[in-house]
Amino acid sequence: GAVVSQHPSRVICKSGTSVKIECRSLDFQATTMFWYRQFPKQSLMLMATSNEGSKATYEQGVEKDKFLINHASLTLSTLTVTSAHPEDSSFYICSARSPQETQYFGPGTRLLVL
Amino acid sequence: QKEVEQNSGPLSVPEGAIASLNCTYSDRGSQSFFWYRQYSGKSPELIMSIYSNGDKEDGRFTAQLNKASQYVSLLIRDSQPSDSATYLCALGLGGGSYIPTFGRGTSLIVHP
Repeated sequence: GAVVSQHPSRVICKSGTSVKIECRSLDFQATTMFWYRQFPKQSLMLMATSNEGSKATYEQGVEKDKFLINHASLTLSTLTVTSAHPEDSSFYICSARSPQETQYFGPGTRLLVL
Repeated sequence: QKEVEQNSGPLSVPEGAIASLNCTYSDRGSQSFFWYRQYSGKSPELIMSIYSNGDKEDGRFTAQLNKASQYVSLLIRDSQPSDSATYLCALGLGGGSYIPTFGRGTSLIVHP
């Protein structure tokens, strides 16, 4: 199957700092990528849809100024959590939509804000 | 508003049995349906996709779709302990701009 990578896989940071997470589709061009957040024992929650070359579309309740998304190329989208706080600690997962419209997930990034 | 309903479980089956996972949805415009498996602490991985009514088989997995009744199910034959995971149902509107909606997932436990 298609491969989507994320980096870093795990990050611990101090409250108030910013953290950047990269998502790459390795064997197909993804015009659309998605960013999800998952808290323990809860379902995936879509945060935003990232479109190459245009602004991201954020879901209701997600602060666009806090969660900055950049989809600079057809294979790379980044999510920056700005001024992170402990309540931002979560499992962040990206996915990339293939030309066949199947969604492939990255391995996820576990963020812990102290 | 697209809603996807799944019984959170856990569904417990003995090794070798058939596990049946069900999902209902509210949006009749949904065109594409997916089943993902998510192991604890890992991201989801795609198991099956189904787009038309009926059954679709892939190895030990069979997806069943009934658009009239608005449900989609996943059968796992000869269940193995390694199948123990959370199974997420997802659906989309199809076309070039769908945004998938996920259910909360059903926890499956296959005991030896």
